[in-house]
Amino acid sequence: DIQMTQSPASLSASLGETVSIECLASEDISNDLAWYQQKSGKSPQLLIYDTSRLQDGVPSRFSGSGSGTRYSLTISGMQPEDEADYFCQQTYKYPLTFGSGTKLEIK
Amino acid sequence: EVQLVESGGGLVQPGRSLKLSCVASGFTFSNYYMAWVRQAPKKGLEWVAIISTSGTTTYYPDSVRGRFTISRDNARNSLYLQMNSLKPEDTATYYCIRELGFRLSFAYWGQGTLVTVSS
Repeated sequence: DIQMTQSPASLSASLGETVSIECLASEDISNDLAWYQQKSGKSPQLLIYDTSRLQDGVPSRFSGSGSGTRYSLTISGMQPEDEADYFCQQTYKYPLTFGSGTKLEIK
Repeated sequence: EVQLVESGGGLVQPGRSLKLSCVASGFTFSNYYMAWVRQAPKKGLEWVAIISTSGTTTYYPDSVRGRFTISRDNARNSLYLQMNSLKPEDTATYYCIRELGFRLSFAYWGQGTLVTVSS
């Protein structure tokens, strides 16, 4: 199975700050990487797929990058509504696996 | 608007069975892979099962293979998860999911249904 190591486990950011979350895959996943946002008490929502493609309706301050085994999600200009848990997921092969999550809070 | 509405969760004793259902609307159900993902209380996400558009192909992780069965009824726009031999570690909120389209990314999520396995 492909292990997804996500970091940091938690972080706090000021409004307007740029933040990044990393995911390291245990093997090359060929850009088959998605990111999800889960707000408190809500279902997760797809933010980014195929490493860098924004899902419809997702603000442009969200971006994704990476290749091989290393991937990142960047929020350019933290907003109050971005406070949430974030998860990465490899879609390269079965079993589909998620990172352990990052809790993002406002400082 | 895509809508996924799960039902069937509840409290069940270890070793017993439970069947979850999900009714879909707002898209052509038969055109998309469908999946189940679960989330234990205060924990991360775990993919549980996925089924092809026709229902002929299914995949599971080792943690549920042989105990859980995913199925679909395209005529009824419905997805199911039959869970047998339930264990306390199966306690979680179960989400019904529509994949993005040929990508295995999970584009739409239901509100979830809570399954509690306890004596």
